[in-house]
Amino acid sequence: QPQLQESGPGLVKPSETLSLTCTVSRGSLRISNFRWGWIRQSPGKGLEWLGTFYYSDNTYYNPSLSGRVTISADTSKGQVSLRLTSVTAADTATYFCARQPNIFEAFDVWGQGTTVIVSS
Amino acid sequence: QSALTQPASVSGSPGQSITISCTGSRSDVGNYNFVSWYQQHPGKAPQLMIYDGNKRPSGVSNRFSGSKSDNTASLTISGLQAEDEADYYCCSHAGGNTWVFGGGTKLTVL
Repeated sequence: QPQLQESGPGLVKPSETLSLTCTVSRGSLRISNFRWGWIRQSPGKGLEWLGTFYYSDNTYYNPSLSGRVTISADTSKGQVSLRLTSVTAADTATYFCARQPNIFEAFDVWGQGTTVIVSS
Repeated sequence: QSALTQPASVSGSPGQSITISCTGSRSDVGNYNFVSWYQQHPGKAPQLMIYDGNKRPSGVSNRFSGSKSDNTASLTISGLQAEDEADYYCCSHAGGNTWVFGGGTKLTVL
């Protein structure tokens, strides 16, 4: 069972780019049985899927984010990264990374989450 | 992509059974047998409770079960325990390698 740990700045200014990293320990991003997703939760609100990185290097995103999100992976470091451009206060949230096995459709292992506040 | 619809809150007494609904559309819940359910305690990360509609991961109590009818999925918790008090979220595959979550349901054990 891998462990996932999100990291990044806790404060981002409006209109700037939010960048977060998910480090996977006790596991490999290149294991072809898994995908890696990002999900966020705004204060007091529900979960929102942001996107998923596939072993084949394909990536799929939530269309509601209008092309502001990019997910990439550095397999040598065991890391999956999230970039969200042109942030506003609405992007203030706790951001989670999570594992998605290829053999079933769900997020089975989650990081503890990292909180990002967008404010000047 | 619209969020799946869940009741804001449900409640039950210890030992009772409760059901949480999750309503989507023919584009998500109604078209795929890929609904998952997550339990989230305050300040914690979500935990997978049900996947592929009605399957339990190893270690999840058999008091938790899932089902689906048309565009609505359901999570049933039987033999309610105090530790079940948490927020519950459904999630469905929505086509095109995308996923959509429900708005969440707060379960109160009376």
